[in-house]
Amino acid sequence: DAGVTQSPTHLIKTRGQQVTLRCSPISGHKSVSWYQQVLGQGPQFIFQYYEKEERGRGNFPDRFSARQFPNYSSELNVNALLLGDSALYLCASSLGQNSNQPQHFGDGTRLSIL
Amino acid sequence: GESVGLHLPTLSVQEGDNSIINCAYSNSASDYFIWYKQESGKGPQFIIDIRSNMDKRQGQRVTVLLNKTVKHLSLQIAATQPGDSAVYFCAESASYGNNRLAFGKGNQVVVIP
Repeated sequence: DAGVTQSPTHLIKTRGQQVTLRCSPISGHKSVSWYQQVLGQGPQFIFQYYEKEERGRGNFPDRFSARQFPNYSSELNVNALLLGDSALYLCASSLGQNSNQPQHFGDGTRLSIL
Repeated sequence: GESVGLHLPTLSVQEGDNSIINCAYSNSASDYFIWYKQESGKGPQFIIDIRSNMDKRQGQRVTVLLNKTVKHLSLQIAATQPGDSAVYFCAESASYGNNRLAFGKGNQVVVIP
């Protein structure tokens, strides 16, 4: 069975541009969460979506937004890109919205801002 | 791919020996804990989880121990193999209505053949 898939795998943008990252969860999983991982650190929570609704938001500016589609796939949008947005963006899926279920991660999108 | 483990605490272990990775967590309300393994250029891979009503859980070659009194989590890997070389993260979550995971600092494990 396919795991969590993310696209694109790598992306290069310049400051001020906008980017959209995509995620397809494991089949049957209804919850999708987004994390940002800066080199040398652990992932930081950005958003959780369940049944197309935002269920949690981390400490990120309003430039970051996301949505979930009826097929449970999700997009993360980042506007007005800054150099500090350079990171690995990870998507994780789980069966439901509860905190006691394992989240399974994709291999991420490596975003580089020039 | 780029290294995940820059400037991380490093555990060097001989192939075949047992490894122990430790993690201190901060939120006393956390009730669910996961260990992840992350190889260079890949996303975190689920290893094992434990709920706060347990203090020990075993998987294939791995054991997780939870000490809620001192807010400490450990991962034991038996008979460490070269394929175990990676960065290991512990993560915690609390029942706040979402499944936000808070990750600890990673530990780089290097297996010496």
